[in-house]
Amino acid sequence: KNEVEQSPQNLTAQEGEFITINCSYSVGISALHWLQQHPGGGIVSLFMLSSGKKKHGRLIATINIQEKHSSLHITASHPRDSAVYICAVFFTGNQFYFGTGTSLTVIP
Amino acid sequence: DSGVTQTPKHLITATGQRVTLRCSPRSGDLSVYWYQQSLDQGLQFLIHYYNGEERAKGNILERFSAQQFPDLHSELNLSSLELGDSALYFCASSVEPNYNSPLHFGNGTRLTVT
Repeated sequence: KNEVEQSPQNLTAQEGEFITINCSYSVGISALHWLQQHPGGGIVSLFMLSSGKKKHGRLIATINIQEKHSSLHITASHPRDSAVYICAVFFTGNQFYFGTGTSLTVIP
Repeated sequence: DSGVTQTPKHLITATGQRVTLRCSPRSGDLSVYWYQQSLDQGLQFLIHYYNGEERAKGNILERFSAQQFPDLHSELNLSSLELGDSALYFCASSVEPNYNSPLHFGNGTRLTVT
């Protein structure tokens, strides 16, 4: 069964803290995406990963194919990072599943 | 701005009715994906089209159908609407026919069924 699990569900951090959000999946995948959804509802794609590590500004995403696990890190967090972060996995067999999301609040 | 346009932004309709949601992909993107986001089920993949052809189906109900036209815009048709169909419907586009390229999301259509 294709499953995607995210943790934590909710996260509150002080401005400047280092944040990690985790995503685990059950079977082999073709690609993994990290998405950001702001309170207004719009969704932005942050990263697309099939192996290794990617960095964009203060955001870093890693994936370990053998362990079936990905992490999204935010360095020097800022209140504008407050959003829901969603892991989305493309499984072999053309099926795409979303994690339940991590709601992040960064307090000034 | 993602370059993906969804219309309408909001739609309020009654049970039993039929509606059409429209998505224009980012210029140059051949893939269009449709997703549903409801409060109780989160985001779910509905269907994927690439260059006019259906590529994959997810949890799409039989009452729902979609198509991608020669100009690459796509329409999602929802019929015999039920209260439980109330949700945000997103489309996304990408260049390639698989998920190995970045996704560009529209702002969504909020459907309310009363």
